Formats: sequence, C-alpha cells, structure tokens
Amino acid sequence: DGGITQSPKYLFRKEGQNVTLSCEQNLNHDAMYWYRQDPGQGLRLIYYSQIVNDFQKGDIAEGYSVSREKKESFPLTVTSAQKNPTAFYLCASIPTGTGNTEAFFGQGTRLTVV
Amino acid sequence: QKEVEQDPGPLSVPEGAIVSLNCTYSNSAFQYFMWYRQYSRKGPELLMYTYSSGNKEDGRFTAQVDKSSKYISLFIRDSQPSDSATYLCAMSVPGGNNRLAFGKGNQVVVIP
Repeated sequence: DGGITQSPKYLFRKEGQNVTLSCEQNLNHDAMYWYRQDPGQGLRLIYYSQIVNDFQKGDIAEGYSVSREKKESFPLTVTSAQKNPTAFYLCASIPTGTGNTEAFFGQGTRLTVV
Repeated sequence: QKEVEQDPGPLSVPEGAIVSLNCTYSNSAFQYFMWYRQYSRKGPELLMYTYSSGNKEDGRFTAQVDKSSKYISLFIRDSQPSDSATYLCAMSVPGGNNRLAFGKGNQVVVIP
C-alpha cells in the first residue's frame, strides 16, 4: 500500500538531547513537508523540500534541522535549541508537476520532553 | 491578519443534524481549497478538494467556495457519531511552492 510512514509513534526526549523523527513515503512524491501541531494552533510549517538535496525553512524552523538525501525520506531532527519541543509532528507529501496540491499525511509522532 | 481564519471553537451537534463549518481567507491568489478530517491522535486525511469557486458534493459532504467573499464552507448532512473529529481547512496558490495555508481546525462532536 502506498503511503507515508512516520516513526516512532511516541517519542520521549530528555532536556538537552537531540532526537530524530523518521518520515518515509512510497508515493513517488517530490515534495515533502514537516508540520508541528499544538492544541488550538493548527498546523505550522517547520521545513519543506521540493526536491532531493534541497530544502527550505518554513515558519518555525528554529531549533529544527532536516535532510533530504533520498526522494523517499525526509527525517526531522529536533535539537536541544528547540526550547518547547513537546508537540504532535506531522509529515506530509504532495505530488508535484500535476497542479494538484493535495497533501498526504503520515500518522504523526507525539514528542514529549521529560 | 492571518492568511486563513477558522474559529476553533468546539461544536457539538445531535446525531442527524447538519454540521456547518467555515473559513475565511485574505490571500486572493488562493485557488485550491481543501478540507481535511483528523481523528484524535491521527494524521489528517483529505475529505474534499475544490478548485476555484462553486460547490462540490460527495455523499453527505458538500464543500462551497465563494471567492468574491473569500469564504469557504463545509456542510455535513445527517451527521453520525463517526463524524466526530477535527476539521481543518487548507488552501494554496497554483504554481507556487505547494505550501498549504491551514486554518486552526474545528473540533466537532456528534452526540448519539
């Protein structure tokens, strides 16, 4: 089945620790996105990538980093510089070149600082 | 002013009622309009997708776009308890970098 797989589903981070969230897709989509969701705030864009080896900052990139070495994979690292990382993180992909901007989402990773 | 405004206030309705949700936006370049449904602790899934102004119907769901008023709506007829979820509107500019602008989401509870 085609789709987006995020792992792990739940993640706990200690203060000062970096953690990496995985996002893999087999939809052959060029564009991939990371969003953060907090209660009452909707989805906020962290980083996005339109093509392999290229990515851009979104609206709240500080304290986060990404890489796009393969079309299928777009991991997000939450660094110790992110002071309030507890949130629900969503990865999405969009087919490009079709005019269609329908985003397909993974099931999310809930990150908690302990 | 935010690009997309959606009143996040929870909405409780009895089973069988019509649910009405809406979003307003400020960017007149938006051409693609979407509604996503998100169940608790899950990722959003696309519910309706419309291009430009007009209505689109899919079963119990109807999406309306009024570009002159910069206003979009989602109607759910004969609501069911399984419709209880958060509904997010989203929109984008054609030919842009495929960035979607999201509303904050509406939590809907359908009471049996």
